[in-house]
Amino acid sequence: KQEVTQIPAALSVPEGENLVLNCSFTDSAIYNLQWFRQDPGKGLTSLLLIQSSQREQTSGRLNASLDKSSGRSTLYIAASQPGDSATYLCAVTPSTSGTYKYIFGTGTRLKVLA
Amino acid sequence: GAGVSQSPRYKVTKRGQDVALRCDPISGHVSLYWYRQALGQGPEFLTYFNYEAQQDKSGLPNDRFSAERPEGSISTLTIQRTEQRDSAMYRCASSPGLEQFFGPGTRLTVL
Repeated sequence: KQEVTQIPAALSVPEGENLVLNCSFTDSAIYNLQWFRQDPGKGLTSLLLIQSSQREQTSGRLNASLDKSSGRSTLYIAASQPGDSATYLCAVTPSTSGTYKYIFGTGTRLKVLA
Repeated sequence: GAGVSQSPRYKVTKRGQDVALRCDPISGHVSLYWYRQALGQGPEFLTYFNYEAQQDKSGLPNDRFSAERPEGSISTLTIQRTEQRDSAMYRCASSPGLEQFFGPGTRLTVL
């Protein structure tokens, strides 16, 4: 059974720091991995999607890498800003499930201090 | 272009009542997913549709939960005889293929 773990559970950093969020999964048989941002009272916003054949994706100050064989992904946020404060979720699509349903981690709650 | 919408955004009901949660996906998206999210946890898969066909309902917790998507667009998740443990955020996502786009969710509170 696929399990997704995110470390740390919570993180508080001063503005301007570069930071790394970690996501690990137990079964390397996945179609893709997607990073989301969740703001209170709002939906999940897609940040980056990495297909199983890809190693990384970049969007602005965000860079996500995928090492499928070791079951790990990292989300790198450069020059963090208070507006980056949110919960970050990673999710994988097991390729053994027959569908594209997601298995989510429990998230990392990020607070960027001004 | 409108995103995924869900209604109602908040629903408070008494134990034993039935509730219907609605999801309006992005136009043209073939796939539709329902998830449930408890406080402090990530969303958990409930069920999945491809067009109007329910392809996977392995995540529905018991037979009080059902879902439909009769015309391959709007979907309804119905919970019969609600219990307090059903209280959660119910999220819907639609997808044209791989990437999933989520709606704002419906916060269900069962008293």
